[in-house]
Amino acid sequence: QKEVEQNSGPLSVPEGAIASLNCTYSDRGSQSFFWYRQYSGKSPELIMFIYSNGDKEDGRFTAQLNKASQYVSLLIRDSQPSDSATYLCAVRRAQKLVFGQGTRLTINP
Amino acid sequence: NAGVMQNPRHLVRRRGQEARLRCSPMKGHSHVYWYRQLPEEGLKFMVYLQKENIIDESGMPKERFSAEFPKEGPSILRIQQVVRGDSAAYFCASSPREGGTYNEQFFGPGTRLTVL
Repeated sequence: QKEVEQNSGPLSVPEGAIASLNCTYSDRGSQSFFWYRQYSGKSPELIMFIYSNGDKEDGRFTAQLNKASQYVSLLIRDSQPSDSATYLCAVRRAQKLVFGQGTRLTINP
Repeated sequence: NAGVMQNPRHLVRRRGQEARLRCSPMKGHSHVYWYRQLPEEGLKFMVYLQKENIIDESGMPKERFSAEFPKEGPSILRIQQVVRGDSAAYFCASSPREGGTYNEQFFGPGTRLTVL
């Protein structure tokens, strides 16, 4: 079992809809979770981090964490074509980040 | 530009040559991390350094790869005798502090290494 798992997609969502990205992790002791966005050929860009169970909202983005289920998700409201990218889920283990494979998201105009 | 800086952005080497990748962390950041992203694969941790110290090199290949972060100057990832399998994007990230709750890592633009 991979330490951090994501559906590789591609996930296709119509413009204006809600995009839902999911991630599960295997280490029950994990405390810190991060979502990065990576455009093709570019570097990862931090968009959200979450440490506590529940929801954390920042603009059109909401991160959700459920430690009991070892599940973290990212919701993107009012999806825009510019949101089309690969979304990487990462879990902090000691001082390093362990990344999932990423979910490729396409927003269709 | 207060972001993480990496150079060169693109590097082409022939098999057997050496590759040197440089990283300057964000202003005020003293912790540097190197990650590698192979084509169509996820980001993999390589090494974590503080000034003059390697803290965690558990992701570094045992041979040919080394890293340093001297007291003065950028962090350097060095790959000796490169092989085609070393072709990848190498990203550097920095963070302001060690551990704790807030340890967000911010990534540089990456160096894309191509081995011919």
